[in-house]
Amino acid sequence: NAGVTQTPKFRILKIGQSMTLQCAQDMNHNYMYWYRQDPGMGLKLIYYSVGAGITDKGEVPNGYNVSRSTTEDFPLRLELAAPSQTSVYFCASSYWADTPDGTQYFGPGTRLLVL
Amino acid sequence: QKEVEQDPGPLSVPEGAIVSLNCTYSNSAFQYFMWYRQYSRKGPELLMYTYSSGNKEDGRFTAQVDKSSKYISLFIRDSQPSDSATYLCAMKYAGGTSYGKLTFGQGTILTVHP
Repeated sequence: NAGVTQTPKFRILKIGQSMTLQCAQDMNHNYMYWYRQDPGMGLKLIYYSVGAGITDKGEVPNGYNVSRSTTEDFPLRLELAAPSQTSVYFCASSYWADTPDGTQYFGPGTRLLVL
Repeated sequence: QKEVEQDPGPLSVPEGAIVSLNCTYSNSAFQYFMWYRQYSRKGPELLMYTYSSGNKEDGRFTAQVDKSSKYISLFIRDSQPSDSATYLCAMKYAGGTSYGKLTFGQGTILTVHP
C-alpha cells in the first residue's frame, strides 16, 4: 500500500493563479481531510469528506474548494491564489471516524508559496 | 481563547532526559485525545491515543489525561536523539456528527541532543 499520496511536493504560484492539489489513498478509507499548517500554528481543517460525493467545510474553507467523485481521490482547488495561502497542505484519511482509535493517516504534504 | 493551547517551545534536552509535553483545552465536549509526532518536512503520524482520564503507557511513552482540569500530557522517558520532532496534541468530539474532525494544538518542537 502506498498509503496517502500528495502531488505536487512543492509549488510556487503567482497571486491570482489557480491550482489543484492532488490527494489519493489506496486504503479504501471513507473519511478524508485537508489541513493547512502554518509555522507555530498547528494544523487547521480546511475541508473534509465522509464518502464519495459528500464534502463539508472545516474551520478555514475560504479560498478553497473540494470534490470527491471517488473513494480514492480528494483534490483541493485553490482559486485566485493569495499570499495568505502560503502554507504546507496535508491530506489525511481514516477508516473509522467516531472511535478513539480512528487513526488519521497523513500524506507527506504539499508546500505552497504564493508570490 | 484557542480551543487547544500547547506551548510551542522549542524544548531542548540531553539524551536520557524525561520530557513532559502538555496541552490544555477549553471545550469539555472533547472526549478523544491523541498525540502525533511530526518529523521535519514529513506528515504527522499517530503516536498514542486515549479517551479516559488516567495514564496509558506504550514503551517509553506515557499519555496522561485529566478531564476535570482539561489537561493532557505526554511523557517521554529515556529520550533519544531520534525523538527529535514536533509533537502535536489533537482531540476530537465523540458521536456521529463529529466525523473525526481533529482540533490540533500548535505543536512543540523537541530537540534531544547526544
